[in-house]
Amino acid sequence: IAGITQAPTSQILAAGRRMTLRCTQDMRHNAMYWYRQDLGLGLRLIHYSNTAGTTGKGEVPDGYSVSRANTDDFPLTLASAVPSQTSVYFCASSDSTSGTPDTQYFGPGTRLTVL
Amino acid sequence: KQEVTQIPAALSVPEGENLVLNCSFTDSAIYNLQWFRQDPGKGLTSLLLIQSSQREQTSGRLNASLDKSSGRSTLYIAASQPGDSATYLCAVNDYKLSFGAGTTVTVRA
Repeated sequence: IAGITQAPTSQILAAGRRMTLRCTQDMRHNAMYWYRQDLGLGLRLIHYSNTAGTTGKGEVPDGYSVSRANTDDFPLTLASAVPSQTSVYFCASSDSTSGTPDTQYFGPGTRLTVL
Repeated sequence: KQEVTQIPAALSVPEGENLVLNCSFTDSAIYNLQWFRQDPGKGLTSLLLIQSSQREQTSGRLNASLDKSSGRSTLYIAASQPGDSATYLCAVNDYKLSFGAGTTVTVRA
């Protein structure tokens, strides 16, 4: 079982370019999340999805979009990258079908640099 | 808005000493609290999840306590080893995780 995979591992991107970060989980978890981690600011929630077909905004959603076409995949898109989006991005998933949020499992992260 | 604080920000101890890591939060209306470990340049590894109805949760050398009424959780790591060196993060779950800034632990051999 792979758990959560993220691609790419790292990327250097020119400002203004479009970029999609991929996230796939094989645990059949209903809920998925995107976080960014910045030195001094910690981990912050960008977007989340409680189930396939639904998405919601987190603490820092501006400049990012997500989709959840199926249970396993939760891509994060930067429509027009800016240097302030330089960060490490983590995808996570959890099983909340019982009605209570369960353990969140994290992917290995994508290190993104926007120049 | 939930605020999560971890003190101290960094800790250095000799091998064999017990570790005590503190986490405080402002809103006690939580489902659970999760402790993570993060090694440099790596992702987060879940260590323990303690439900809001629980007072304590144990896994091997790790023990986490939760006092919801006072907004505090403590992670104890017994008999520390150099391999325990990492950053430890607590996160409060009210359907979305709110993270503390972490405590960076160094265990000296």
